[in-house]
Amino acid sequence: EAQVTQNPRYLITVTGKKLTVTCSQNMNHEYMSWYRQDPGLGLRQIYYSMNVEVTDKGDVPEGYKVSRKEKRNFPLILESPSPNQTSLYFCASRGNSPLHFGNGTRLTVT
Amino acid sequence: DQQVKQNSPSLSVQEGRISILNCDYTNSMFDYFLWYKKYPAEGPTFLISISSIKDKNEDGRFTVFLNKSAKHLSLHIVPSQPGDSAVYFCAASARGIQGAQKLVFGQGTRLTINP
Repeated sequence: EAQVTQNPRYLITVTGKKLTVTCSQNMNHEYMSWYRQDPGLGLRQIYYSMNVEVTDKGDVPEGYKVSRKEKRNFPLILESPSPNQTSLYFCASRGNSPLHFGNGTRLTVT
Repeated sequence: DQQVKQNSPSLSVQEGRISILNCDYTNSMFDYFLWYKKYPAEGPTFLISISSIKDKNEDGRFTVFLNKSAKHLSLHIVPSQPGDSAVYFCAASARGIQGAQKLVFGQGTRLTINP
């Protein structure tokens, strides 16, 4: 089954404790992206990657890092999480088709 | 600056009637528009799209209309069914120099279909 898999689905952490949210897709897509969803703001792009070793900032990249060492994986790294990064995060990938999203990771930073 | 706006946070419609969800955009470079549907605890799923060279695209019960002069698009669902209850996101994109399509999303509209 074609899918984008994110882990974990839920995460509660404390301010400053580094964390990584993993994302993997099995569709051989070159393009991958991370979004965050916040009430009243919709989905905003954090980072995207056109291909392996090619990443670029989206609209809200501050406080986040990404890497794309393999085509299938695109982890999102929060080096020092802060409460304003409490959000619902979605990873997505795309080939010659509309963006295909994972099921989301709900992150709470206290 | 919100380039894609969905001004109705919520909409309630009776089963069997028409649901109309609206979306406005400000960037005249946008040339491709999509609607995504999102259920709780799931990621958004693609519903229907339209290119700027068209003014209407239909797929079963779903029709998207594009009015370029007004920078407005709408999604019509006829007839509405209980399973259509979800959050609907409008999204727009413009091809960049590298041909990348960066999607810009609206805030979402929560549609509730009442039996």
